[in-house]
Amino acid sequence: NAGVTQTPKFQVLKTGQSMTLQCAQDMNHNSMYWYRQDPGMGLRLIYYSASEGTTDKGEVPNGYNVSRLNKREFSLRLESAAPSQTSVYFCASSEALSARSETQYFGPGTRLLVL
Amino acid sequence: KQEVTQIPAALSVPEGENLVLNCSFTDSAIYNLQWFRQDPGKGLTSLLLIQSSQREQTSGRLNASLDKSSGRSTLYIAASQPGDSATYLCAVPTQGGSEKLVFGKGTKLTVNP
Repeated sequence: NAGVTQTPKFQVLKTGQSMTLQCAQDMNHNSMYWYRQDPGMGLRLIYYSASEGTTDKGEVPNGYNVSRLNKREFSLRLESAAPSQTSVYFCASSEALSARSETQYFGPGTRLLVL
Repeated sequence: KQEVTQIPAALSVPEGENLVLNCSFTDSAIYNLQWFRQDPGKGLTSLLLIQSSQREQTSGRLNASLDKSSGRSTLYIAASQPGDSATYLCAVPTQGGSEKLVFGKGTKLTVNP
C-alpha cells in the first residue's frame, strides 16, 4: 500500500515549456487535490476532484489544467510554464464518503523550478 | 473569506517541555479542523481531525482542542522530544464542511536535546 505517489520528484523547465505532474493513490479514495506550497504563502489549493470525471477550481487555478483520469489518478498540467509557477506541488486524497472535509493524505511532493 | 493564522511562526524549546501551538480562523461555521505535521522536504502527515461536535481529540502525547465560538484551536504536545521537530499546520474548510481546505502558514517547532 504505497498511499499517494507523485512523479516526477524534481523537474526543471524553461519558460514556455509544458509538463504534466502525475499523481496516483491506491486507497480507493473518492476525492483528490492539487496544492502548491510557496515560502511565506503557505499551502494553497489549485484544483480538486470530488469524483472521477469531476473537477473544481481552488484558490489559485490560473495557468493550470487538471484531469481525473480514473478513480486512482489525478494529473496537473502546466501548458506554458512561467517562473511564478516555481513551487513545490503536493497531491492529496481523502475518502470523502460524506462529501465533507475528511482526513487528507499527502504525497511526497514535486519540486518544480521554472527558469 | 476564511483565513487561518498560526502563532508563533517558530518556536524553540528544550527537550521534555510541554508546549502549545495556536491556530485561529475567521469563519467559525466549520464542520471540523485538522492538524498536520510536515518534516523538511516531505509531504504533510495528518495528526488529528476534530469534528465541530467535539471539543478535544487526543493521540498519544498530542491533544488538540477546538473552540468554534472563538475561532481558535490549540495543539498541545506533552513531554516534547527532538523527533517532534517539524512544522505544524492547521487547516479548516473554506466554509461549512467543504472539501476545500484553507491552511495556516504553520509553526516551525525545534526541540533541542
